[in-house]
Amino acid sequence: GAVVSQHPSWVICKSGTSVKIECRSLDFQATTMFWYRQFPKQSLMLMATSNEGSKATYEQGVEKDKFLINHASLTLSTLTVTSAHPEDSSFYICSARGLGGTGELFFGEGSRLTVL
Amino acid sequence: RKEVEQDPGPFNVPEGATVAFNCTYSNSASQSFFWYRQDCRKEPKLLMSVYSSGNEDGRFTAQLNRASQYISLLIRDSKLSDSATYLCVVIGGKLIFGQGTELSVKP
Repeated sequence: GAVVSQHPSWVICKSGTSVKIECRSLDFQATTMFWYRQFPKQSLMLMATSNEGSKATYEQGVEKDKFLINHASLTLSTLTVTSAHPEDSSFYICSARGLGGTGELFFGEGSRLTVL
Repeated sequence: RKEVEQDPGPFNVPEGATVAFNCTYSNSASQSFFWYRQDCRKEPKLLMSVYSSGNEDGRFTAQLNRASQYISLLIRDSKLSDSATYLCVVIGGKLIFGQGTELSVKP
């Protein structure tokens, strides 16, 4: 099946620093990628929809200046958490839908961010 | 009302039991529906798509009721390995996950 690779799988950083998470579709082209955040014991919450070559669409309540999303190519989207704070500590997962896809999503392995 | 809402959990069942989960959605224009399974601290994995005519895959049966705006997942002959959180996904312009239903199958 299709593969989506996410990196890094876990990161610990100091408060105030910025962290970049990469999401790559390895064997297909993804026109649309999604970024989710998941707090313990809760479901995935959609943060933003990233379309190749255009600005991301953010969900209500998600600060676009804090969570910078770039989808510069059909195989790579990045999420940068700027000036991270402890409350940003979470599990971040990306997913991708291929060209002409049926709607099935392929997920990255997730990135666990801990902000000290 | 939440856009997608699932049965609250956890469901604790013995091996061999039959268990059913429901998931309701509010957007009548929703087009695609899926069930995903998520193991602790892992990414969700597709379990099955849900079609209007209903579909079955081994011990798993998924159904869609557009009139009442819900989907269901039935698991027969539960195995210990079925223990996980089951997430419904509804696509109607954007993808929305349900909050998940935790299933624990006991020996």
